[in-house]
Amino acid sequence: DTEVTQTPKHLVMGMTNKKSLKCEQHMGHRAMYWYKQKAKKPPELMFVYSYEKLSINESVPSRFSPECPNSSLLNLHLHALQPEDSALYLCASSHPLDNEQFFGPGTRLTVL
Amino acid sequence: GESVGLHLPTLSVQEGDNSIINCAYSNSASDYFIWYKQESGKGPQFIIDIRSNMDKRQGQRVTVLLNKTVKHLSLQIAATQPGDSAVYFCAENGGKLIFGQGTELSVKP
Repeated sequence: DTEVTQTPKHLVMGMTNKKSLKCEQHMGHRAMYWYKQKAKKPPELMFVYSYEKLSINESVPSRFSPECPNSSLLNLHLHALQPEDSALYLCASSHPLDNEQFFGPGTRLTVL
Repeated sequence: GESVGLHLPTLSVQEGDNSIINCAYSNSASDYFIWYKQESGKGPQFIIDIRSNMDKRQGQRVTVLLNKTVKHLSLQIAATQPGDSAVYFCAENGGKLIFGQGTELSVKP
């Protein structure tokens, strides 16, 4: 299995909602990442987990809360988001000492 | 500061022609570079990479050139096909990925 899967594919939420994005990989990768991508822009790193521990937080607002329950799963919990948080959220994984990151298809998030 | 950027936002080529997509970087300490292809509705897909101790690397129909003197990176696609239409990003990895702005490649039949 050489895939990174993400659910849901699309998500529409209000500013008072709580929702979660999920990411899964079964490649044995021990580094997992969350990126945010606005339309016509490059992906921007949000969080990095290495061996299930948060290693990088790129000064992301606390309304985004990552979680890595085990080596195959990565969640992004969303609460009290703003319309400007609407974007494509990408998950990626890699071996911790390998530069090649494998990306999932993303979750298209719309905040109303 | 660090930045990885691309020279052109869009590129249109005729099917069968060769495509060249360029990228400039500013961090002379960068030692690893990657090209990604992103099709509409999909995540970035790894194409080819190159380390700073190399000048050229070839894959299937793709070649990456690295000029450290002028901090320039390019992706060459031979015999461009309609399926090559996508946005292409260069990225620098010095511990975390920093993407350039992207070039949208359109292939005319």
